[in-house]
Amino acid sequence: ETGVTQTPRHLVMGMTNKKSLKCEQHLGHNAMYWYKQSAKKPLELMFVYNFKEQTENNSVPSRFSPECPNSSHLFLHLHTLQPEDSALYLCASSPKQKNTEAFFGQGTRLTVV
Amino acid sequence: AQSVTQLGSHVSVSEGALVLLRCNYSSSVPPYLFWYVQYPNQGLQLLLKYTSAATLVKGINGFEAEFKKSETSFHLTKPSAHMSDAAEYFCAVRFLYNQGGKLIFGQGTELSVKP
Repeated sequence: ETGVTQTPRHLVMGMTNKKSLKCEQHLGHNAMYWYKQSAKKPLELMFVYNFKEQTENNSVPSRFSPECPNSSHLFLHLHTLQPEDSALYLCASSPKQKNTEAFFGQGTRLTVV
Repeated sequence: AQSVTQLGSHVSVSEGALVLLRCNYSSSVPPYLFWYVQYPNQGLQLLLKYTSAATLVKGINGFEAEFKKSETSFHLTKPSAHMSDAAEYFCAVRFLYNQGGKLIFGQGTELSVKP
């Protein structure tokens, strides 16, 4: 248990659906991240939030829309996804300090049909 | 450009044998370095980290890693593999003065342990 909780753990959605992934941490961290992990590919950093402000968007398609209402919660809103978006989506958090590790949630296994 | 490379996408060892997973980074300034482990359909769990203190770092589950500046390496070792060590291992770095200090991951190495 890392202190970072992701829900749901599994999600199957059609290409026309709208769904949201949720991430929550009560570790007092100020930075939160979304990563995408596809089969046979390296971890891809998608978004970074620091103190609720988005500080990085790695050219992620607009069908992925992040939201960070406060430092403890992070959402990833999904709409009109493609089958190639099927992957494990990992949320992580870290203190602002640069020499610390990130703490990861268990991930949401997303399947787009 | 700063980067991190894991040599070998798949390593197979026998139970009881030495585990060696390789990680090299590319940077003129030593970064902070981390090893994570991922079991199937799970998130990443920190094994150990190097943050400019002792160069030999001990982690959980009997793993350790040695930071070698001259070789720009941070290889992960365990003297005797257990079946439960079978998982994917990721080396990660934080480059202090570039790329916003973000955490960058290597490609991962899948470790198989044979009985």
